Amino acid sequence: AQTVTQSQPEMSVQEAETVTLSCTYDTSESDYYLFWYKQPPSRQMILVIRQEAYKQQNATENRFSVNFQKAAKSFSLKISDSQLGDAAMYFCAYRNYGGSQGNLIFGKGTKLSVKP
Amino acid sequence: DTEVTQTPKHLVMGMTNKKSLKCEQHMGHRAMYWYKQKAKKPPELMFVYSYEKLSINESVPSRFSPECPNSSLLNLHLHALQPEDSALYLCASTRSSQGIGETQYFGPGTRLLVL
Repeated sequence: AQTVTQSQPEMSVQEAETVTLSCTYDTSESDYYLFWYKQPPSRQMILVIRQEAYKQQNATENRFSVNFQKAAKSFSLKISDSQLGDAAMYFCAYRNYGGSQGNLIFGKGTKLSVKP
Repeated sequence: DTEVTQTPKHLVMGMTNKKSLKCEQHMGHRAMYWYKQKAKKPPELMFVYSYEKLSINESVPSRFSPECPNSSLLNLHLHALQPEDSALYLCASTRSSQGIGETQYFGPGTRLLVL
């Protein structure tokens, strides 16, 4: 069974600085997808970024980028120029390619605080 | 438009009440999901509907009864709940039922409190 591990329950960053959130996963599959979701106090789960395992190039979305290391099964999220609105719970998630519907596997989350 | 809507935003109910949660999407998505999320925990999958048919039930107690009247609407009927069922209930949808790397789009959730 696949597992997702986020080893940092809480992180803190100064506004305008850069922070990296860690995520490791375990799978025997070669084709899969990885996601970072953000859940602010408003509760809505918002997709931040997604990575296809078959792509070597790391995904980027504006200030958000990932460091995808397939061999190491690592998928970290880097937030540049942190803003107050980035404060939220961040969940790393895994999904098999073509797997049964719904098997989006979440890590336990990292709570990010942004200091002004 | 990647919007999934959920009503109500908050719900307080007694253990003998019957209530329903509603989820709606107009993106033409063919798979819809119910998740339960306790405080400071990741979401836990409850049900998956694919083309309006229940395809996954993660051993959820029968006091939770899902219903998918059409491809845009997903309900969760609640009856005789327990206080431990208090949680945030999230709805999500994906474009296809095959789920090939499809991104799940989440609604804002319903905060349920069972007294």
